[in-house]
Amino acid sequence: DAKTTQPTSMDCAEGRAANLPCNHSTISGNEYVYWYRQIHSQGPQYIIHGLKNNETNEMASLIITEDRKSSTLILPHATLRDTAVYYCIVRVDAGGTSYGKLTFGQGTILTVHP
Amino acid sequence: ETGVTQTPRHLVMGMTNKKSLKCEQHLGHNAMYWYKQSAKKPLELMFVYNFKEQTENNSVPSRFSPECPNSSHLFLHLHTLQPEDSALYLCASSLQGASTDTQYFGPGTRLTVL
Repeated sequence: DAKTTQPTSMDCAEGRAANLPCNHSTISGNEYVYWYRQIHSQGPQYIIHGLKNNETNEMASLIITEDRKSSTLILPHATLRDTAVYYCIVRVDAGGTSYGKLTFGQGTILTVHP
Repeated sequence: ETGVTQTPRHLVMGMTNKKSLKCEQHLGHNAMYWYKQSAKKPLELMFVYNFKEQTENNSVPSRFSPECPNSSHLFLHLHTLQPEDSALYLCASSLQGASTDTQYFGPGTRLTVL
């Protein structure tokens, strides 16, 4: 699976949009971009994933650049409960040799402040 | 609630004890995973079960022994652990064979080995 690069930490004011970047310049054509988050001492929570089109769900939006070498997770209206470590993971989905594997890095510590 | 439960949530054991961690998923998934998260380290995949068959053992010491009696339950049997085995143990499940096999995590078991 391709490696990802994320900033170590970011701050965001409550109520503002939080934009979390991720670089994955070695991504392959059949690799998806996944985002998870982990609130302190809890299990990781799935947020969103995409291949090449932008995606939106009730939690967040995922913007993937046209060359697929980077992406941005957007939390449109951050709350204090969004304070967590956010992981950007690139992995092959159904049928790939790394099927089922999620390789977690250090992630970005997002702190939402009042 | 992700549909994946883990018990106990906290466990303290001595190095000579034998204990078991339990994971149950209510999502109709067919694959289950054990991950380990040590302090200030990324999550590490330990074991993967697909349709009750172990498909991955990520060089885990034999003092950790997984068991998957059916596709809804997963156990991790522990014996003669070391203090460095103290960590958060996370269970996850997914639907392999679907168009996307997103993994959903349980809340974890916080294990302390004295």
